[in-house]
Amino acid sequence: DIQMTQSPSSLSASVGDRVTITCRASQNIKKFLNWYQQIAGKAPKLLISSASNLQNGVPSRFSGSGYGTDFTLTINSLQPEDFASYYCQQNYISPWTFGQGTKVDIK
Amino acid sequence: QVQLQESGPGLVKPSETLSLICTVSGGSLNTYSWSWIRQPPGKGLEYIGYIYSNGRTDYNPSLKSRVTISIDTSKSQFSLRLSSVTAADTAVYFCARDTTTGTLDYWGQGTLVAVSS
Repeated sequence: DIQMTQSPSSLSASVGDRVTITCRASQNIKKFLNWYQQIAGKAPKLLISSASNLQNGVPSRFSGSGYGTDFTLTINSLQPEDFASYYCQQNYISPWTFGQGTKVDIK
Repeated sequence: QVQLQESGPGLVKPSETLSLICTVSGGSLNTYSWSWIRQPPGKGLEYIGYIYSNGRTDYNPSLKSRVTISIDTSKSQFSLRLSSVTAADTAVYFCARDTTTGTLDYWGQGTLVAVSS
């Protein structure tokens, strides 16, 4: 299985901050990388597909980049509704695998 | 707007079979894959498997010997069966639509299944 490693596992930030989460794959996954947001007690929500494609309705302060093994999710000007956990997921080779998650909480 | 809803028992005894149904509304099951994912309390997400509308399946090898996913397009439902459960199978189980292979764009709210005697 392809291992996905996110860093950091958690971070504290303030409203208005810029936040960067990284995700590393154990092998080349080209651009087959998705990002999800999960608010506590809710289902995950797809934010970004194919490493950088922002989903309809997702605010433009979210962006994704990367190719191969190293990927980044950036949130510009963090908003109160962005405090959540974020997961990367590879869909290059089955079984699809997720990173362990990054929890973003209020500083 | 596509909506998914999981249903099934919230408590299963060890060694028995966990059975869940996902009902899809607001869209057709055709031309998509339909997935199950689980999340143990306080932990991360684990892909269980998917079924395509034509019945083709793909299972996580770590669960493959115990998992069966089936689909009933006439009822707009797909289902999960996980046999010989243990406490390690306690989790919130999500169903989701797969817009392309492995990209999950619509999710059910999730249902907690506890394994306990």
